[in-house]
Amino acid sequence: DAGVTQSPTHLIKTRGQQVTLRCSPKSGHDTVSWYQQALGQGPQFIFQYYEEEERQRGNFPDRFSGHQFPNYSSELNVNALLLGDSALYLCASTGQGRYGYTFGSGTRLTVV
Amino acid sequence: QKEVEQNSGPLSVPEGAIASLNCTYSDRGSQSFFWYRQYSGKSPELIMFIYSNGDKEDGRFTAQLNKASQYVSLLIRDSQPSDSATYLCAEMDDYKLSFGAGTTVTVRA
Repeated sequence: DAGVTQSPTHLIKTRGQQVTLRCSPKSGHDTVSWYQQALGQGPQFIFQYYEEEERQRGNFPDRFSGHQFPNYSSELNVNALLLGDSALYLCASTGQGRYGYTFGSGTRLTVV
Repeated sequence: QKEVEQNSGPLSVPEGAIASLNCTYSDRGSQSFFWYRQYSGKSPELIMFIYSNGDKEDGRFTAQLNKASQYVSLLIRDSQPSDSATYLCAEMDDYKLSFGAGTTVTVRA
């Protein structure tokens, strides 16, 4: 049973560029959330998708946007990258019951 | 703004000892709490969740919830070197997890 898969695993971008990160949820899960984790910090909630709609959003600027597809997979897009966007981006999925989320292995984004 | 605070680390314990981790939260209405373990460079892994006052045990791990005092704790009994990791406390509100900054535990052999 595949867990949550994210791609790519590592990425280096230049300031001002745009990036797209991808996530496939665990089989049977329909809700996908994205988190940003800076070094030494806990994950910070970016937004959550359910039934292809953004259901909740954390305190992140509009440069962060997302999408959920009919197969429940999701993308996170970040425009106009800043040095401060360098972090581990985690995708997490959950399903019925919603007791806890299963996290993917993350995408390490470095902005130079 | 909901806040989750964890006792500052790092925490160093000898092998076989009990590691005690604490977490407080600001929203008295919070219902569900989670402990995740995160090895260096890896993603968080769910250890336990708790939503009722009292203790919940799973193997060497015991989670404790006290809603009146607004704290959650995690005890790791018979600590092993493989328990060396950062432990994240989180509360769930409306399907969103809010995490503390984590406590790094090192188990000395």
